[in-house]
Amino acid sequence: SQQGEEDPQALSIQEGENATMNCSYKTSINNLQWYRQNSGRGLVHLILIRSNEREKHSGRLRVTLDTSKKSSSLLIMASRAADTASYFCATDAYTSYGKLTFGQGTILTVHP
Amino acid sequence: DSGVTQTPKHLITATGQRVTLRCSPRSGDLSVYWYQQSLDQGLQFLIQYYNGEERAKGNILERFSAQQFPDLHSELNLSSLELGDSALYFCASSDGGMRTQYFGPGTRLLVL
Repeated sequence: SQQGEEDPQALSIQEGENATMNCSYKTSINNLQWYRQNSGRGLVHLILIRSNEREKHSGRLRVTLDTSKKSSSLLIMASRAADTASYFCATDAYTSYGKLTFGQGTILTVHP
Repeated sequence: DSGVTQTPKHLITATGQRVTLRCSPRSGDLSVYWYQQSLDQGLQFLIQYYNGEERAKGNILERFSAQQFPDLHSELNLSSLELGDSALYFCASSDGGMRTQYFGPGTRLLVL
């Protein structure tokens, strides 16, 4: 079963706008990771946030984690057409030995 | 480029056949993970190896098996193939510490 559930399923914005995607999960985690996938290609690792962290930044990305609500959000600032892709959250549960459980993903379309 | 390589990139075969997918992890990574991505099931964890030993099993069918060799490359064997096995198969590797998983480009399997 998919532990991470993303919201929205699809997001369409204009270049320069911010894009926010949310992820909810069910069990206690070691960390939560966000990945990007361009049109059926490989998954590109974006950012990892540990369970004891609340916010993390990487370039135009900002990730937050609320373990009390079992949720995370990914903010892409000043989006570009090249950001068009599917975005997945993946959780690494305490007892998982590192296996990742993925959500269904958010399809982001950025219009030039 | 994640440093994880997978061969072949594409594979077309017939039902009932057997195929082998190969993965070479990033230099120094001891853990290898296999995932399956299909339209109806999304991204599903199949199996994990750590330094040659099986560490965790997920939704892997009995028709599927894997191993990790002394040089740390891994192979996923799929036998008695069915139409529903058509999917993208990803390999990922990690050093087991931070548990960031780096994904290969995937093997796209089409069973006709």
